[in-house]
Formats: sequence, structure tokens, C-alpha cells
Amino acid sequence: LAKTTQPISMDSYEGQEVNITCSHNNIATNDYITWYQQFPSQGPRFIIQGYKTKVTNEVASLFIPADRKSSTLSLPRVSLSDTAVYYCLVGDGNTNAGKSTFGDGTTLTVKP
Amino acid sequence: DGGITQSPKYLFRKEGQNVTLSCEQNLNHDAMYWYRQDPGQGLRLIYYSQIVNDFQKGDIAEGYSVSREKKESFPLTVTSAQKNPTAFYLCASMRGLAGNNEQFFGPGTRLTVL
Repeated sequence: LAKTTQPISMDSYEGQEVNITCSHNNIATNDYITWYQQFPSQGPRFIIQGYKTKVTNEVASLFIPADRKSSTLSLPRVSLSDTAVYYCLVGDGNTNAGKSTFGDGTTLTVKP
Repeated sequence: DGGITQSPKYLFRKEGQNVTLSCEQNLNHDAMYWYRQDPGQGLRLIYYSQIVNDFQKGDIAEGYSVSREKKESFPLTVTSAQKNPTAFYLCASMRGLAGNNEQFFGPGTRLTVL
């Protein structure tokens, strides 16, 4: 399983764009990159997933460079409610994957 | 409503007792997972199951046991052999077996050993 490295914490202010980078140097050819958000005392929820280049949905964008050794989650115009822990996961896109490894995540604090 | 449920939300246990945490999903997902989360830390995988009647140890399986007799159910037993069981326990399910699927999480069970 590819190991991921994220900053432990980040601070931002309302209305700013936030970029959280995840390093996954030993990512394999079949691995996908998935980001989750977790609020206190709740289960994580899926934000976005990608394999290469750029993926965008209604809440975030995911940028993946050509070498795929890192990825950046971009949250546009954050609000106080975006204060949460964000996890980056790398998982095999083939069958028999099953097992996922969550790191300690990045605690994002959005200030007024 | 489709989803994944865990019960109870809060659970208290005396030292030396076994306790079983429930996890049910009606999403028709193949894979199910149990994670443990300690304060200020990330999720650690306890057990996972990709098919009925089969399950695999995760990173911290010692002191825990599971069963997967039905596709929709994946109960976790915290045994007396688990030396520090106080934690937040999360169950998840996933549609397929590949890592390009998303995991759906339940609301969690907070276990406290008295």
C-alpha cells in the first residue's frame, strides 16, 4: 500500500482558497487517490477521487501532476463549516484491493 | 433510505467484559470495514471483509473478532484481550472491491471502559 504524507494542520480564513497537498511517492500504476472529510465524532465522508490530471466536483478540485507522486485538494472559498480533518488515501484500482490505510490527516481550521 | 448504521452510539463496559458492536448496511455493498480512532489521531483498520464468510485482519486486529454471516452485517466483538479498548469505532462499507470505489461510513460507536 502506498504511504501518504500530509501536513498535520493548516489555518485559513473564510472566503480564501485552501490547498492541501498529499505526498505519495510510491504510488502504483493502478492506484487511485481519494480524499475524505471528517467532522468531530462523525464518520469520514467522500469528497473527491482522481487518477491523473484534474478532477472537479461541486465541492472541491483535485490536482494530480504527471508523475502522480503527490496530489492537491483545493477547496474554493472556504467557510467556517469547512473546519474538519481531511484524509488522503491511495488505493488499488484493481480487484482484491479492499484494504485502505488512513493516515492522521490534515486538520483544517477556518477562522472568521 | 440506503445507508450504514451502527449501534449503540455510546457503550460503556467494565474491564474484563466482551462487548459486541453492531454494523448493518442496506447498500448491497460487498466490502465492509472496521476502524478504530483514538483522540486526535487518524483511523486504523481493525478487520475488513470482502465477501460473506470471509474476513481479513487489518493493522490492529489483536483483541478483536468479527463475523460476516450475512452480506449486510459485520459485527465487531471487543474482547477482554484488548488492553486499551476505549476509542471511537467506525464501520464502513464499499460497493466493489477496488480502491477506486468510495467508502461509506456509519455514525460510529464510542466505547468507554470503566
